[in-house]
Parts: sequence; C-alpha cells; structure tokens
Amino acid sequence: QQQVKQSPQSLIVQKGGISIINCAYENTAFDYFPWYQQFPGKGPALLIAIRPDVSEKKEGRFTISFNKSAKQFSLHIMDSQPGDSATYFCAASEFGGGADGLTFGKGTHLIIQP
Amino acid sequence: DAGVTQSPTHLIKTRGQQVTLRCSPKSGHDTVSWYQQALGQGPQFIFQYYEEEERQRGNFPDRFSGHQFPNYSSELNVNALLLGDSALYLCASSLIQDYNEQFFGPGTRLTVL
Repeated sequence: QQQVKQSPQSLIVQKGGISIINCAYENTAFDYFPWYQQFPGKGPALLIAIRPDVSEKKEGRFTISFNKSAKQFSLHIMDSQPGDSATYFCAASEFGGGADGLTFGKGTHLIIQP
Repeated sequence: DAGVTQSPTHLIKTRGQQVTLRCSPKSGHDTVSWYQQALGQGPQFIFQYYEEEERQRGNFPDRFSGHQFPNYSSELNVNALLLGDSALYLCASSLIQDYNEQFFGPGTRLTVL
C-alpha cells in the first residue's frame, strides 16, 4: 500500500516558468513533510520541509503549499532554471526526519528546457 | 566535513550470496537509517539504528539485517540475495531529535545476477 502518491511522473517546463509537483497522503499521523531533490548518481538532498501547523512555507524560489483537510501538499518552483532539472521526491513521517523513517513518493522527473 | 560516506560504490553479486554495505554518518550525527531505491522508484525505508540498536523497521524481510558501531557507523547485511534485491542502497544520518533533517549519502549500487 503506497502511503504517499506523487504526480506527475514526469514534467517538462520552460525556463522561467513555474514547476508544480503534487503529493497526497493517507496516514493522518504524518507530521512532517519534506521535499528532496536527487541528481543522477547522487543521494537525495533536502530542499524544503513543512509541518502541518502552517499552510505554506517559502524558501527562495521553492514553496510548499499544504492542505491538511485534503491531505495534500505540493512543491512550487518559481522561475525554473535548467539547473533545477532533477528528480524530486515528496516524503512524510510521523515524528519528523531525525527520529523516524521517511515514506517517499515515487518521484517526479523534472526537465527545464532552456 | 565529509558528509555521509558509503562503501563500496558499486557491487556485483550472484543469487544466494551475502553482501555487506557500509556507512559513515555525518560528523556529530548519532542515528543511521537505510533505504532501498529500485530503479525509477522512491527510496523505501529498511530500518533505523540508534545507540547500536534497531529502533524502527520498514516492511523488509529478516534477510536484511544491520549493525551500528560505537562510533555511529553502520553496516547493512543482506543474506540469500535475490534478483529483486538489485537496487541503490542509501544510508542517511541524522540527530535523534524530532524534525531534524536526514542527510543522505551517494549510495551503493548493488547488482544481483
């Protein structure tokens, strides 16, 4: 049973555009929602994370929007750049990243066209 | 700071064999988690070690076992390898407190023939 569903599977965006990736979860005990970025041959790296006590968090060009009632959250990448081309994973856990295993979505392969 | 390091980088084994993968956590971290990432999929949580004990486990058979040493480094052991065990194995380290980031290593690519 997949507990975190991620869409789309792949995404092509023009340079300067907005990239949007969506995730939905089932476990209402999840309390921490990070987004990871992974380049080929590398391990995932944390981009931004949110807890359900806020509906939005912004760090530079990256924004998480969180809808607790719908059990959905999304990543928005503003002014997308070719260097943003990578695979993005949403994840969730019950007790936060340090003390709990993360449940990941299947990933979104993002391509930013110059 | 070297970050999370893993060895070896690549490994080729045959079905039925046993394999040991190694991980050194980021300096100052006390918790190590292991994940399996099949090609084109998201990482799947195997287990987490803290104070040399397995404190949490995902949905993996007991062919998967681990160990954490007093210096916080960790090993992942897989017995009786199956073709389906071919994957990228990721190690992540963190501090045990809630809501701290997990830092991932580059992974070990295991191929089972």
